[in-house]
Amino acid sequence: EAGVTQSPTHLIKTRGQQATLRCSPISGHTSVYWYQQALGLGLQFLLWYDEGEERNRGNFPPRFSGRQFPNYSSELNVNALELEDSALYLCASSLRGNYNEQFFGPGTRLTVL
Amino acid sequence: AQSVAQPEDQVNVAEGNPLTVKCTYSVSGNPYLFWYVQYPNRGLQFLLKYITGDNLVKGSYGFEAEFNKSQTSFHLKKPSALVSDSALYFCAVRDWGSARQLTFGSGTQLTVLP
Repeated sequence: EAGVTQSPTHLIKTRGQQATLRCSPISGHTSVYWYQQALGLGLQFLLWYDEGEERNRGNFPPRFSGRQFPNYSSELNVNALELEDSALYLCASSLRGNYNEQFFGPGTRLTVL
Repeated sequence: AQSVAQPEDQVNVAEGNPLTVKCTYSVSGNPYLFWYVQYPNRGLQFLLKYITGDNLVKGSYGFEAEFNKSQTSFHLKKPSALVSDSALYFCAVRDWGSARQLTFGSGTQLTVLP
């Protein structure tokens, strides 16, 4: 069974640009979670989608947004990129309502120059 | 609010020795507790979790963790460390009564020396 996949593996952008990160959950999983792992800051919860709806978001500005598609894959969009947005962005998925069983993808490394 | 603290950024241990990676938590209700491991350039892998029941939880790769409610701790342990255990370890908590997302600690880099 395929795990959570994320694309691209690496993404290089400049300040002010927009970045789009993609995530495909494990087959059968309807919940998708996004986390930011910045150097020295651990994992910070960004967004949670379930059944196409945003269910919760962490303490991040509105320029971090996303969506979930009918096939449960998800996009994370970061507008007006800032240098401090450079981080590893991890996506996780779970069965609906099973918040305790999150499976993580390998991440997308975003570098903002 | 829920929070997790991993007081050690770095833990070094000799191969074959026991290892402990510390974690303390804060929740308003009852906790769900987790340990994840991250190898270089990889995502997080689940190690073990405490939901309810026995305070000693056994997980993957010979790791175990002990839930201590009075000390609000959930330390990760292994009786005999391997060089291949060298990785970044994250503790996480979820307040089962009120939260839907996990809160992670800042991570502890474990280095097992040959």
